Amino acid sequence: AQTVTQSQPEMSVQEAETVTLSCTYDTSENNYYLFWYKQPPSRQMILVIRQEAYKQQNATENRFSVNFQKAAKSFSLKISDSQLGDTAMYFCAFMLTQGGSEKLVFGKGTKLTVNP
Amino acid sequence: GAVVSQHPSWVICKSGTSVKIECRSLDFQATTMFWYRQFPKQSLMLMATSNEGSKATYEQGVEKDKFLINHASLTLSTLTVTSAHPEDSSFYICSARTHDKPYEQYFGPGTRLTVT
Repeated sequence: AQTVTQSQPEMSVQEAETVTLSCTYDTSENNYYLFWYKQPPSRQMILVIRQEAYKQQNATENRFSVNFQKAAKSFSLKISDSQLGDTAMYFCAFMLTQGGSEKLVFGKGTKLTVNP
Repeated sequence: GAVVSQHPSWVICKSGTSVKIECRSLDFQATTMFWYRQFPKQSLMLMATSNEGSKATYEQGVEKDKFLINHASLTLSTLTVTSAHPEDSSFYICSARTHDKPYEQYFGPGTRLTVT
């Protein structure tokens, strides 16, 4: 079974600074997706970024980027120029791409607080 | 973008009664819908996967007779919590995806269930 581990239950960062959230996963499969989701106080899940395992290039979405290390099974999220609106729970998630197995497995989450 | 709605957003029911939660894809046809449960300050746990016109597939440990899932159309799935008890109080989230993009799950805003 696939597992996702987020070792940082809580983190804080000053506005405009950079923060990195850690995520490791365990799988014996070769084809999969990795995701970072944001859950603000409204509880609405928002996709932050997605990475296909077969792509070596790290995904980037504006201020958000990942460091994907496939051999190490590591998938960290870097948030640059942190903004107050980035305050939220962040969940790392894994999905196999095999037919019928496309379900998300979530980590326990990291609560990020951006301080003014 | 794809929008998923849930109704109601918050429901309070008495112990022993049943409550139905609706999940709708508003602007796309959802071949697969997922139901998650989230306890306070915890991660999302997948309860079941439902494909349109088929019986739902439940995760291990989820009582299928207690959590009835129906996916009768490509835009609507329902979760019925039967004979609810206080321990069923939780936040229930649905997500939906299309057949051609299994890696894109669109999440509903969630339903808070309180059983008194």
